[in-house]
Amino acid sequence: AQSVAQPEDQVNVAEGNPLTVKCTYSVSGNPYLFWYVQYPNRGLQFLLKYITGDNLVKGSYGFEAEFNKSQTSFHLKKPSALVSDSALYFCAVRDNPSASKIIFGSGTRLSIRP
Amino acid sequence: KAGVTQTPRYLIKTRGQQVTLSCSPISGHRSVSWYQQTPGQGLQFLFEYFSETQRNKGNFPGRFSGRQFSNSRSEMNVSTLELGDSALYLCASSWGQSVNSRSRLDTQYFGPGTRLTVL
Repeated sequence: AQSVAQPEDQVNVAEGNPLTVKCTYSVSGNPYLFWYVQYPNRGLQFLLKYITGDNLVKGSYGFEAEFNKSQTSFHLKKPSALVSDSALYFCAVRDNPSASKIIFGSGTRLSIRP
Repeated sequence: KAGVTQTPRYLIKTRGQQVTLSCSPISGHRSVSWYQQTPGQGLQFLFEYFSETQRNKGNFPGRFSGRQFSNSRSEMNVSTLELGDSALYLCASSWGQSVNSRSRLDTQYFGPGTRLTVL
């Protein structure tokens, strides 16, 4: 069965520092992996996804995620955090090709202090 | 162009009733996905429609159903409402089948959600 875990409920980073939001997954086949962000009062937004190919995926707002098959991880990263990055981040996985649904992690609240 | 719209934005129902939520995708988008968000269960995938066909389905009981029309607008229906159905229901649209799509460029755009409260 497919599953995804976000081990940190909250991540605190100073503005200008690099940030990492962790995600690990478990699937039986080759995964499709996704990151979403939910800003207060702005709804849920799609950030990026990994299907196949390059392990480093670039997404919106300067975010990128690195797929690591050996560690079954798909961590979200940004070189320099902005206060406006403060939001709730969700990792999600779909087990390809047999699974027909997408599973979300529990979410990580990212707080960027000025 | 206009974004994804969901109606109504807020809804209050009582147990046992049924409810229909509507989602209008971005013009030209053919795929609509539905999600449920609750404090206890988090974000859960309900189903995805593409060209009027249900392509993917999450682990929800048969009380949850949906459909997509020829203009890509989608509705989801919940029958015999339970207290646990209180949630924010989100829909998202994309040009292709976002969950299955192999295109890195196929982006989902989310609506503001419908907040359903079951009393």
